[in-house]
Amino acid sequence: NAGVTQTPKFRILKIGQSMTLQCTQDMNHNYMYWYRQDPGMGLKLIYYSVGAGITDKGEVPNGYNVSRSTTEDFPLRLELAAPSQTSVYFCASSVRDYSYNEQFFGPGTRLTVL
Amino acid sequence: AQSVSQHNHHVILSEAASLELGCNYSYGGTVNLFWYVQYPGQHLQLLLKYFSGDPLVKGIKGFEAEFIKSKFSFNLRKPSVQWSDTAEYFCAVRGETSYDKVIFGPGTSLSVIP
Repeated sequence: NAGVTQTPKFRILKIGQSMTLQCTQDMNHNYMYWYRQDPGMGLKLIYYSVGAGITDKGEVPNGYNVSRSTTEDFPLRLELAAPSQTSVYFCASSVRDYSYNEQFFGPGTRLTVL
Repeated sequence: AQSVSQHNHHVILSEAASLELGCNYSYGGTVNLFWYVQYPGQHLQLLLKYFSGDPLVKGIKGFEAEFIKSKFSFNLRKPSVQWSDTAEYFCAVRGETSYDKVIFGPGTSLSVIP
């Protein structure tokens, strides 16, 4: 199993540009998550999904959109990039099991908006 | 709303010193608790977790944590740290109901001096 994979690893955007961060998992996990990690702030949940076709907002959803058309994929869309979105983005997944809800993380995407 | 606080932003220790990292959470119901570690340049990985039962949980690499329900705490400990333990440590909490999100603390950066 590859686990959770993310592309790209690095990206530089200009203000106002758009892009999609890709996330794929091959563990047949129901739950998937997008976090952003800023220095000293820990991880903040942007959006999450409990299954294909179902998404919900996390703590910091403004400026982002997601979709979940398949169990495997959970792309994160930035429509109008802003400098405040400069961050490291992590995708994670977990199985829908109340007794073992460990999250598996991808390697991250480092995004800079100039 | 759930929240997680970690007592120390940055901890510096010499090798062989003992480690204790504080974590407190706020949540009104039953919780799952986690400690994740992020080594430099790597993605997050699980150190240990608490679901139920024995409040003293043992994880990988000699780490352990104790859940004290009355204090809403889940402190991480290690009797003797090594240089390779230099990393960022995150405490996380998940409410034990459907659709509850995993909330992370701001993280504690540990530097171990040889």
